[in-house]
Amino acid sequence: KQEVTQIPAALSVPEGENLVLNCSFTDSAIYNLQWFRQDPGKGLTSLLLIQSSQREQTSGRLNASLDKSSGRSTLYIAASQPGDSATYLCAVSLMMDSSYKLIFGSGTRLLVRP
Amino acid sequence: DVKVTQSSRYLVKRTGEKVFLECVQDMDHENMFWYRQDPGLGLRLIYFSYDVKMKEKGDIPEGYSVSREKKERFSLILESASTNQTSMYLCASIGRGGTEAFFGQGTRLTVV
Repeated sequence: KQEVTQIPAALSVPEGENLVLNCSFTDSAIYNLQWFRQDPGKGLTSLLLIQSSQREQTSGRLNASLDKSSGRSTLYIAASQPGDSATYLCAVSLMMDSSYKLIFGSGTRLLVRP
Repeated sequence: DVKVTQSSRYLVKRTGEKVFLECVQDMDHENMFWYRQDPGLGLRLIYFSYDVKMKEKGDIPEGYSVSREKKERFSLILESASTNQTSMYLCASIGRGGTEAFFGQGTRLTVV
């Protein structure tokens, strides 16, 4: 059974710091991996999607990497800002007979202090 | 701008009521999903659908049903609402080929 783990559960950093969020999964047979951001009381916003054949994706100050063989992904946030404060979730996509299934980690709650 | 829209941000219902949560997507996606999110339990899959009139049970389908009469709309139905169904409900869609997943803004349901 696929399990997704995110470490750390919570992180507090001063503004301007570079930081790394970690995501690990137990079964390497994934279709893709996606990072999301969730603000309190809101839905999930997609940040980056990495296909299983890719190694990394970049969007602005965000860079996500994927190592399928070791079952790991990292989300790197450069020059963090208070507006980056949110919960970050990773999810792996599994291909099923007729559809896909997303398995989520429990998230990392990030606080960027001014 | 792609969009998944849930009909309500907040709902308060009484125990025993039949509750409908609506989700509409404008991306012509085949796959649609309903999750609930609770503190300490993360996101749990209730039901999903990979085509019109097709539905599959997720991990926690008890007490729920779904309807997908049109490709763009996926409804979650609480047959007889109970207090343990108080939660944040999230709808998502994914296109053919397992493309990027998009989520709605969430519905915070309180059952009293």
